[in-house]
Amino acid sequence: KAGVTQTPRYLIKTRGQQVTLSCSPISGHRSVSWYQQTPGQGLQFLFEYFSETQRNKGNFPGRFSGRQFSNSRSEMNVSTLELGDSALYLCASSFRGLLNTGELFFGEGSRLTVL
Amino acid sequence: DQQVKQNSPSLSVQEGRISILNCDYTNSMFDYFLWYKKYPAEGPTFLISISSIKDKNEDGRFTVFLNKSAKHLSLHIVPSQPGDSAVYFCAASGTASKLTFGTGTRLQVTL
Repeated sequence: KAGVTQTPRYLIKTRGQQVTLSCSPISGHRSVSWYQQTPGQGLQFLFEYFSETQRNKGNFPGRFSGRQFSNSRSEMNVSTLELGDSALYLCASSFRGLLNTGELFFGEGSRLTVL
Repeated sequence: DQQVKQNSPSLSVQEGRISILNCDYTNSMFDYFLWYKKYPAEGPTFLISISSIKDKNEDGRFTVFLNKSAKHLSLHIVPSQPGDSAVYFCAASGTASKLTFGTGTRLQVTL
């Protein structure tokens, strides 16, 4: 079956703009998580959605937001972009989420560059 | 506050030898640990996991060891192959529905 699909794969924005990234999970998976990967920081948890509800949130400012639709597809939005937001944004899906210690299936990521 | 630490940013090992990747954690609430492997331009892929009720889990060439008292886990790859060259992330989870990742170790397996 198809894996986790993220769009767009690459994008360039300027400071102050906003961006929306999209994630389509594996069919049947109801949990979608978002992670930010930057050099030297590893992968940092942004938030997790399960059945359209945000179940957990990381330590990111309010400029970072997300949502999940009834078909489990998810979007994340970053407003008022800063240079430090340049990163690879990874989406991961799982059937029930980590509350059942299920592994995550990651997409290839959306690489955002902020100029 | 880095709750999961991978203190070696890189490791080089000869093909056929053992690769040992280390990971330390500070949060005693973590009860499930995973290793992910990441190639350039791809998302991380799950490799192996271990629950805190075990001290060893083996899957083919990959073995993960957990030392709860030391809050330390390690991934052993035997024998190492060139295709194992990648960045390896250690991750941990507790009661919250999220993974806390280390910063990664880049493994290079040389011929």
